[in-house]
Amino acid sequence: GQNIDQPTEMTATEGAIVQINCTYQTSGFNGLFWYQQHAGEAPTFLSYNVLDGLEEKGRFSSFLSRSKGYSYLLLKELQMKDSASYLCAVRDSHGGYQKVTFGTGTKLQVIP
Amino acid sequence: GAVVSQHPSWVICKSGTSVKIECRSLDFQATTMFWYRQFPKQSLMLMATSNEGSKATYEQGVEKDKFLINHASLTLSTLTVTSAHPEDSSFYICSAPFVGGISYEQYFGPGTRLTVT
Repeated sequence: GQNIDQPTEMTATEGAIVQINCTYQTSGFNGLFWYQQHAGEAPTFLSYNVLDGLEEKGRFSSFLSRSKGYSYLLLKELQMKDSASYLCAVRDSHGGYQKVTFGTGTKLQVIP
Repeated sequence: GAVVSQHPSWVICKSGTSVKIECRSLDFQATTMFWYRQFPKQSLMLMATSNEGSKATYEQGVEKDKFLINHASLTLSTLTVTSAHPEDSSFYICSAPFVGGISYEQYFGPGTRLTVT
């Protein structure tokens, strides 16, 4: 099975930088996703890391360390619209069978 | 980017009836699709993996006979909630992986909100 942990809630100030951490334990690791989800809506794809290192996309960056089972999502220049839940999800592969399992999500509140 | 659609976006049904939810990949083929369920203030829980041309793979604790999955084509998977009960009321979301070269992305449909009265 998989064990994916991320903080339940975080608060940050508009214009600041926030880092959301995710740790995981799984066999057959084949990539890690970050999604953004606003209340009542489906998740929106943010990033996918399969190799160690930092991937940058505009204000959003995602980091992965496979040996440590650790990832983080970095949000820069926070805007009020960034208030949402951020979901860490791990792709697991076993003998050609693949699935993506989600963590519980981190609810981020951006305050003025 | 790749688009996944779901229909209906919301549905209200009476207890004991069945409801069918469709998931379509609009501009790419998906041999695999995933069905998730999300209760309020909770994360997405994987229910099953839909496989084109073969049986779906269900997660532990998900009743196969209650949640019927059919992946009839490379662009369509359906989830039928049979004999629905109020506790089945939830947000059902499908997703499909899009593989392009070395990249792998998983796109979600907009979700279907089911309310069973």
